[in-house]
Amino acid sequence: RKEVEQDPGPFNVPEGATVAFNCTYSNSASQSFFWYRQDCRKEPKLLMSVYSSGNEDGRFTAQLNRASQYISLLIRDSKLSDSATYLCVVNKAAGNKLTFGGGTRVLVKP
Amino acid sequence: NAGVTQTPKFRILKIGQSMTLQCTQDMNHNYMYWYRQDPGMGLKLIYYSVGAGITDKGEVPNGYNVSRSTTEDFPLRLELAAPSQTSVYFCASSYSRGPLGQYGYTFGSGTRLTVV
Repeated sequence: RKEVEQDPGPFNVPEGATVAFNCTYSNSASQSFFWYRQDCRKEPKLLMSVYSSGNEDGRFTAQLNRASQYISLLIRDSKLSDSATYLCVVNKAAGNKLTFGGGTRVLVKP
Repeated sequence: NAGVTQTPKFRILKIGQSMTLQCTQDMNHNYMYWYRQDPGMGLKLIYYSVGAGITDKGEVPNGYNVSRSTTEDFPLRLELAAPSQTSVYFCASSYSRGPLGQYGYTFGSGTRLTVV
């Protein structure tokens, strides 16, 4: 089993709709969780950290479910500019390294 | 504030040639990392460093070397380039672990390397 697994998509989303997708992680001792956004041929950029209580940043909401070992990202009122690959990122229990999932591709269409 | 700067942005190497990918950060981050990303794939950790003078291997270190003589710089060396090293290379940095665990990374804009 991969350490961090994501549905590669693509998720085809009409503009203005809501889309949500999950990421599962294998290490129950992981402490730090992030969502990164990566545009085509660009570097990954931190979208948001994911906290135990869940957190919201504008149209984006992230949730953490420790019992089932997954995190989720929900995008409301999707914009064309939300089209990107969303990377789920989890730390290893020990050490100082983050593990990246393969990414979920989202395509927002008019 | 430049963040993480990588040079060069593009490079074509012939098989067997050597090169150094440069990475500099100006955020006083202790931790620095090198990743490679193959087309349509996720990021794989090559090497990382938790401070000047300290480096360690990641998942895919073979064919690469690193050094960390200063907090700011973390160059990646390819000694004998092979076609399998054709990839996009990203350097990243972060602060040390905090009370809530790991901090997120700041990435450089990448180096696109082709080995022919």
